[in-house]
Amino acid sequence: GAVVSQHPSRVICKSGTSVKIECRSLDFQATTMFWYRQFPKKSLMLMATSNEGSKATYEQGVEKDKFLINHASLTLSTLTVTSAHPEDSSFYICSADTSGLQSSYEQYFGPGTRLTVT
Amino acid sequence: AQRVTQPEKLLSVFKGAPVELKCNYSYSGSPELFWYVQYSRQRLQLLLRHISRESIKGFTADLNKGETSFHLKKPFAQEEDSAMYYCALGTSDKLIFGTGTRLQVFP
Repeated sequence: GAVVSQHPSRVICKSGTSVKIECRSLDFQATTMFWYRQFPKKSLMLMATSNEGSKATYEQGVEKDKFLINHASLTLSTLTVTSAHPEDSSFYICSADTSGLQSSYEQYFGPGTRLTVT
Repeated sequence: AQRVTQPEKLLSVFKGAPVELKCNYSYSGSPELFWYVQYSRQRLQLLLRHISRESIKGFTADLNKGETSFHLKKPFAQEEDSAMYYCALGTSDKLIFGTGTRLQVFP
């Protein structure tokens, strides 16, 4: 149980375009989903916390107008990178909270999405 | 400041050798510490957490509040242990990850 999927697994887009990444919890309902960015040889950086039915909470330094997060249902959260630039190229990973208590601990991770902006 | 430090980027050992992946943390509250593992081409997954005090795949980790450490240990490494290991600190609302340590186990 507790499977999280991401789509697409890999995407290449041109600079200036927008790209949407989906994160789904397949066999459970996730009231909270998290979006991370993984830089090469660096750590996983939390970008934002996505709560179903409410606005996402962004970490300091993350542009909310650039990284649009929507958590419209208990099984789906989307991250849209707007007006993408080459520096946005990265590996984006989502995770879903299974505890239902808004705990940060019971998280299951998606396989990640490799974004390349040309 | 809330921070997780993994000083080793790469740790290489031979099969059967003991392994210790270091993790130190900085947190003013009561810490919840975790180890996550990412095998090649697979997703990140939870390996173990300090509150459960369990051994998973032969790995153990003890929280040492005095030294603010949560080192991951295994007495006899196996080739299938080769992966990226992340130490993480759970705060009230998020997980903070270390930079990760790549473990290579040679036959």
